[in-house]
Amino acid sequence: GAGVSQSPSNKVTEKGKDVELRCDPISGHTALYWYRQSLGQGLEFLIYFQGNSAPDKSGLPSDRFSAERTGGSVSTLTIQRTQQEDSAVYLCASSPRPSSKFFGPGTRLTVL
Amino acid sequence: TQLLEQSPQFLSIQEGENLTVYCNSSSVFSSLQWYRQEPGEGPVLLVTVVTGGEVKKLKRLTFQFGDARKDSSLHITAAQPGDTGLYLCAGVGNTNAGKSTFGDGTTLTVKP
Repeated sequence: GAGVSQSPSNKVTEKGKDVELRCDPISGHTALYWYRQSLGQGLEFLIYFQGNSAPDKSGLPSDRFSAERTGGSVSTLTIQRTQQEDSAVYLCASSPRPSSKFFGPGTRLTVL
Repeated sequence: TQLLEQSPQFLSIQEGENLTVYCNSSSVFSSLQWYRQEPGEGPVLLVTVVTGGEVKKLKRLTFQFGDARKDSSLHITAAQPGDTGLYLCAGVGNTNAGKSTFGDGTTLTVKP
């Protein structure tokens, strides 16, 4: 079956530009997560959507970061006025219940 | 803030050797998970341990959750080149099961 998909797989942008990263979760999964990963490091929590509840945005590093989840399915992570320190792999995961996460392949973002 | 420390950060061994990776915290977790990640892919869940003192085996991999539910270990017997990857532990808190805390990972290289 189809897993979590993310697009684009790679994104190179110039400092100051806005970027949108997309996540298509596994159908039927009620929870969706965004994490950020620097090279060879662990995952930094960004935001968590659970059903129709208000999202947990406590991990967003600044107000330049925002995320939406439309219709309880697809999610978009938007980074405004990108900075070089935003360069990382952005991982999306979905789950049928909170403890079992299925990750997508990630979007590698490079800010020049 | 709940933190997880993994050790060692890097490990390079020959095929057939045994190894142990550690995941330690000062915080108590309701459960702890181990993931394996290969380059260019998202983490894949290997196991979830829930009960203090619990031991789970997955072929040549043995996972243990500490009695106090603050630490865990992953032991690999007779490592193979296919075991190469980034091993991540993730703690699930008592108050928000969706917001896992990840360690920084252990990069394992098994040489043939």
